Amino acid sequence: SQQGEEDPQALSIQEGENATMNCSYKTSINNLQWYRQNSGRGLVHLILIRSNEREKHSGRLRVTLDTSKKSSSLLITASRAADTASYFCATDADGHDKIIFGKGTRLHILP
Amino acid sequence: NAGVMQNPRHLVRRRGQEARLRCSPMKGHSHVYWYRQLPEEGLKFMVYLQKENIIDESGMPKERFSAEFPKEGPSILRIQQVVRGDSAAYFCASSPDRSSYGYTFGSGTRLTVV
Repeated sequence: SQQGEEDPQALSIQEGENATMNCSYKTSINNLQWYRQNSGRGLVHLILIRSNEREKHSGRLRVTLDTSKKSSSLLITASRAADTASYFCATDADGHDKIIFGKGTRLHILP
Repeated sequence: NAGVMQNPRHLVRRRGQEARLRCSPMKGHSHVYWYRQLPEEGLKFMVYLQKENIIDESGMPKERFSAEFPKEGPSILRIQQVVRGDSAAYFCASSPDRSSYGYTFGSGTRLTVV
């Protein structure tokens, strides 16, 4: 079963604005990861946040994790056209020997 | 280091034929994961293999699908007697050890069954 569920399913914003995507999951985790997928391409690992961390930054990316609410958010600041892609959260589950992906948020940056 | 290599990039098969998808992990990676992605969907876990061993195949359909990761050579995902519903993108990822920290993904094989 899907462990993570992203919200919203699709998001369109103007270039330069901030984009926020949310992810909720069901069971306890060791870590949560965010990936980006450009259309027709493979996934690129963006950032990993461990269960004992609350916030992590990487360039224009900011990830938060609230284990009490079983949720995470990905913030992309000062969005660019190149940020147009699908974004997936992924969590380890069931003995932590694989990661499970959500259905993703399709982000479209308008020029 | 060429990363995770998957081939072919595109594969067209007629119903009833066999499809063989190959995945060469990153150098030094001995753990391979296969995922399937339907259009507009997320990735669904299929199978996790280590050299010569299937560790977790809980996501594999019970029939027609098999996977291997031999001591030498790439990992192979094999689909026998393909049906239209098998049309999807199949992604392979690799990691250096049994942890879930940052998989490296290949570019995928897009299978079309006609």
